[in-house]
Amino acid sequence: EIVLTQSPGTLSLSPGERATLSCWASQSVSSVYLAWYQQRPGQAPRLLIYAASSRASDIPDRFSGSGSGTDFTLTISRLEPEDFAVYFCQHYGSSRVTFGGGTKVEIK
Amino acid sequence: QLQLQESGPGLVKPSETLSLTCTVSGGSINNSSSYWGWIRQPPGKGLEWIANIYYRGNTYYNPSLKSRVTVSVETSKNQFSLKLSSVTAADTAVYYCTRLLYLWQITLVRGVNFDSWGQGTLVTVSS
Repeated sequence: EIVLTQSPGTLSLSPGERATLSCWASQSVSSVYLAWYQQRPGQAPRLLIYAASSRASDIPDRFSGSGSGTDFTLTISRLEPEDFAVYFCQHYGSSRVTFGGGTKVEIK
Repeated sequence: QLQLQESGPGLVKPSETLSLTCTVSGGSINNSSSYWGWIRQPPGKGLEWIANIYYRGNTYYNPSLKSRVTVSVETSKNQFSLKLSSVTAADTAVYYCTRLLYLWQITLVRGVNFDSWGQGTLVTVSS
């Protein structure tokens, strides 16, 4: 079973700053099956990035994903007020799904 | 635009069976690139995948819940359902129905992701 570990647990930043979120897999995974989601309070998660680096429809280009193997990164180049939320990475493999524990991006 | 909507009781007694239905609109559940599934989130916690089902009835379960979970699909109604038996307080969560979408480039998979989510429904297990 793939275990995804996200860090940090909480990231305190100011609007306009750059956010770098990490997701580590317990073993090497194909980047095709790695996705990122944003969850705002009281809302369902929303797909941001799929296949590690492809932006989903209508996602602003300040969001970018990178990585391969066991190390993956979600970067928000300049934080907007609506970006303060929780972010989850997710892997799909062998017909099973796992999520990371999440990173909360909060206003400093 | 695809929309998913959960329905079912918001309160279930311990040891009973939780039952939820998801109605899909704006698209057909008979989509060869789509799997339909359930994900839950206990209050203040992270996401836990429960199960997926293909429109032909193929099912895939989280091993940690498999003994208590049944998912089914009713293509004529464009719906799929979740049953979770022998519930306890630990099953209290927001339950989301989702679409797991395969993205293809000819014969190669170029992505698999949950691109559509219901708004979620809180199910509380309490006597």
